Amino acid sequence: DVKVTQSSRYLVKRTGEKVFLECVQDMDHENMFWYRQDPGLGLRLIYFSYDVKMKEKGDIPEGYSVSREKKERFSLILESASTNQTSMYLCASTWDRGKTEAFFGQGTRLTVV
Amino acid sequence: GESVGLHLPTLSVQEGDNSIINCAYSNSASDYFIWYKQESGKGPQFIIDIRSNMDKRQGQRVTVLLNKTVKHLSLQIAATQPGDSAVYFCAENGGSNYKLTFGKGTLLTVNP
Repeated sequence: DVKVTQSSRYLVKRTGEKVFLECVQDMDHENMFWYRQDPGLGLRLIYFSYDVKMKEKGDIPEGYSVSREKKERFSLILESASTNQTSMYLCASTWDRGKTEAFFGQGTRLTVV
Repeated sequence: GESVGLHLPTLSVQEGDNSIINCAYSNSASDYFIWYKQESGKGPQFIIDIRSNMDKRQGQRVTVLLNKTVKHLSLQIAATQPGDSAVYFCAENGGSNYKLTFGKGTLLTVNP
């Protein structure tokens, strides 16, 4: 089975901190994604990557950056955390771009205080 | 803009009944659609998918129907069980090669 693992289930950070969310997949997928999930808004795409060192902005990239140095790992970075970034963050990976299902991690619940 | 939406934010059914969850999409270029189930505290799990060259696809207790004429997608769950209680999302690819766009979700509650 495909496994997508996010490094933390819960995080509490202070406003202004730099925050790293890590995601690792074990199925050699080329495409990886970061979404945030908020009540009433569904899943919104922050960034995605279709190859090592490649990244593309999603629908809500402001305040975030990403890093993909290795194929299996995709990191989401909050340069200076703010309270409006309190959310559930979901990482996903997929084999074929937009043509097959995306596999999700268990999510990271980030609270910025 | 292009969007994927849901007709009902919540759905409550009795155990054993059939459930139907609906989804509207607006991007006529979409050619791939997925339904996900998300239980509380977990990431979304794949249920079933369908490509635009099909109208219907069946899985175990689930059926997805696609009506391209009216841009409508539905998920039917037969003999709904308490374990089916979750939020259900539809997603479409907008014809793109990279990403899926998700609807806002429908909360399904199964009453014993």
